[in-house]
Amino acid sequence: DTAVSQTPKYLVTQMGNDKSIKCEQNLGHDTMYWYKQDSKKFLKIMFSYNNKELIINETVPNRFSPKSPDKAHLNLHINSLELGDSAVYFCASSQGSGTDTQYFGPGTRLTVL
Amino acid sequence: GEDVEQSLFLSVREGDSSVINCTYTDSSSTYLYWYKQEPGAGLQLLTYIFSNMDMKQDQRLTVLLNKKDKHLSLRIADTQTGDSAIYFCAESMEGSARQLTFGSGTQLTVLP
Repeated sequence: DTAVSQTPKYLVTQMGNDKSIKCEQNLGHDTMYWYKQDSKKFLKIMFSYNNKELIINETVPNRFSPKSPDKAHLNLHINSLELGDSAVYFCASSQGSGTDTQYFGPGTRLTVL
Repeated sequence: GEDVEQSLFLSVREGDSSVINCTYTDSSSTYLYWYKQEPGAGLQLLTYIFSNMDMKQDQRLTVLLNKKDKHLSLRIADTQTGDSAIYFCAESMEGSARQLTFGSGTQLTVLP
């Protein structure tokens, strides 16, 4: 069974559209994350979220919003997509304690035309 | 990342050892990690080290941490072509949600 899954794997859309990427983890973890990997493979945290707090990286535009229907899911909603949003988006989860090792999903490649 | 630095490329011959280096700036880091990313795939955790350790060995992987110099290295013994990938080091700090700060990644190419 896949521990952290994301859908879709690929997403191609027009500038100005609104889209969502879904993430699910079956590890029973308390904390989930979204990362953005740009064309140079540079990875940067966007959000971390557990049932107590949402931590937002200050560089993330407010067009991006995480939505968590339950502990096992953290979806990423993006409004008014821009060309610069094209990247690979990774979801991750962790226990939130101890070594707090993060386990990553396979990524969603978003292309904005 | 501006706080974690890695060299971008490394090439080695199959069977040789690979050493991937990483420097970080935040002395409050609690855990340091090595992740592997194969082409078109997600990140796979290879190993981690707690900041009060100097060394950790796991089969072909050896992690060395010099906390004084804020230097972390990953040594891969008997490097194989399947080890070709991008290797990221990452640091996390104590807190309620330990966000990872990643280095820029080192592209390891293993030549036959």
